[in-house]
Amino acid sequence: DTGVSQNPRHKITKRGQNVTFRCDPISEHNRLYWYRQTLGQGPEFLTYFQNEAQLEKSRLLSDRFSAERPKGSFSTLEIQRTEQGDSAMYLCASSLSGYEQYFGPGTRLTVT
Amino acid sequence: AQTVTQSQPEMSVQEAETVTLSCTYDTSESDYYLFWYKQPPSRQMILVIRQEAYKQQNATENRFSVNFQKAAKSFSLKISDSQLGDAAMYFCAYRREQGGSEKLVFGKGTKLTVNP
Repeated sequence: DTGVSQNPRHKITKRGQNVTFRCDPISEHNRLYWYRQTLGQGPEFLTYFQNEAQLEKSRLLSDRFSAERPKGSFSTLEIQRTEQGDSAMYLCASSLSGYEQYFGPGTRLTVT
Repeated sequence: AQTVTQSQPEMSVQEAETVTLSCTYDTSESDYYLFWYKQPPSRQMILVIRQEAYKQQNATENRFSVNFQKAAKSFSLKISDSQLGDAAMYFCAYRREQGGSEKLVFGKGTKLTVNP
């Protein structure tokens, strides 16, 4: 049973650089979500895909953020011109039914 | 707006004892789903238990059970016979569905320590 995988697990980047994260959902899960979690907080919703369609994008996602899910399979989250405030854990989750979400291990981003 | 409140930032319990984690939420919807997730240190989020609002019976999964009080908008998690492996952050979450989209809205979490 292959769960949700995310790569890389850790990313350290300098302010102003671009970074891209990848999420591979559980096979056949058509729903995919991105969340951001900062220290001491619960995850906050960023965006939602159903198949390849991005159906919602949170106001938390500035224009520097973009997410894609080509062909409804894996998804990428790109942050352009990173800022220190972008430092967080980025979590991906997938679901078949929409009623239970299964989370990946996350990508921890540190912007120096 | 839907919000989820966990009023206990930290809780501790003795091994083999029972502990209850609190959660309240705010919604104007009549049908919805609630969840408890567990996040062990440096490990991924795991679904512990879910409750459908239309079900009057409280959900149970082995040592984990909930006390769902719909009128009071309360959704507490009871862990019986606590084990060292139960030590983790616990997050209460509400599933929000609107305009063809869906998401989980999480509380800030409760850090559970299990003492041997």
